[in-house]
Amino acid sequence: DIQLTQSPSFLSASVGDRVTITCRASQGISSYLAWYQQKPGKAPKLLIYAASTLQSGVPSRFSGSGSGTEFTLTISSLQPEDFATYYCQQLNSYRTFGQGTKLEIK
Amino acid sequence: QVQLQQWGAGLLKPSETLSLTCAVYGGSFSGYYWSWIRQPPGKGLEWIGEINHSGSTNYNPSLKSRVTISVDTSKNQFSLKLSSVTAADTAVYYCARGFPIRVFGVVIRHYMDVWGKGTTVTVSS
Repeated sequence: DIQLTQSPSFLSASVGDRVTITCRASQGISSYLAWYQQKPGKAPKLLIYAASTLQSGVPSRFSGSGSGTEFTLTISSLQPEDFATYYCQQLNSYRTFGQGTKLEIK
Repeated sequence: QVQLQQWGAGLLKPSETLSLTCAVYGGSFSGYYWSWIRQPPGKGLEWIGEINHSGSTNYNPSLKSRVTISVDTSKNQFSLKLSSVTAADTAVYYCARGFPIRVFGVVIRHYMDVWGKGTTVTVSS
């Protein structure tokens, strides 16, 4: 099984901050990684796929990078609507998700 | 605009079989993979499995012995059955569409871009 470990698990930040979330895979997954945003009581929303491709309609302040075993999601300037939980997902072998990173308002 | 509408029984007793269906509206059914994902209360996401319009399936190895995903192309629907449920199967269950990513014309992966709203399933005696 491929395990994904996100860091940090909790992140406190302010509007306008630049934040980075890391996702590490237990083995190489090429670029088969997606990032999702989930708000309470809602389904996840696809932000980034293939590690760095921005999904249509997602603001350009979101960006993704990485390949192999280490990946990052960066939000360049936090907006109020960005406070949510973020998950990475690997699609190299079956599908697994990271444990999530909860982004809270400082 | 593609929409996924899902339904099924929300309260089950231990040992019963969970049964959910997801209908696809406003878009093509073929050319995609159709997934089920679940989320226990207060916890993270777990992929259950997927199916394409031809009926080809992939399942999470940890659930494979209890899961069956099927498709009804005449109705643009796909379904999940999970047998012998326990309290550990209590979760919100989501259906999702996987859209294809191609490299040099070859489909390499399907990323989940459209999700249903979720169905809460509780297992309790």
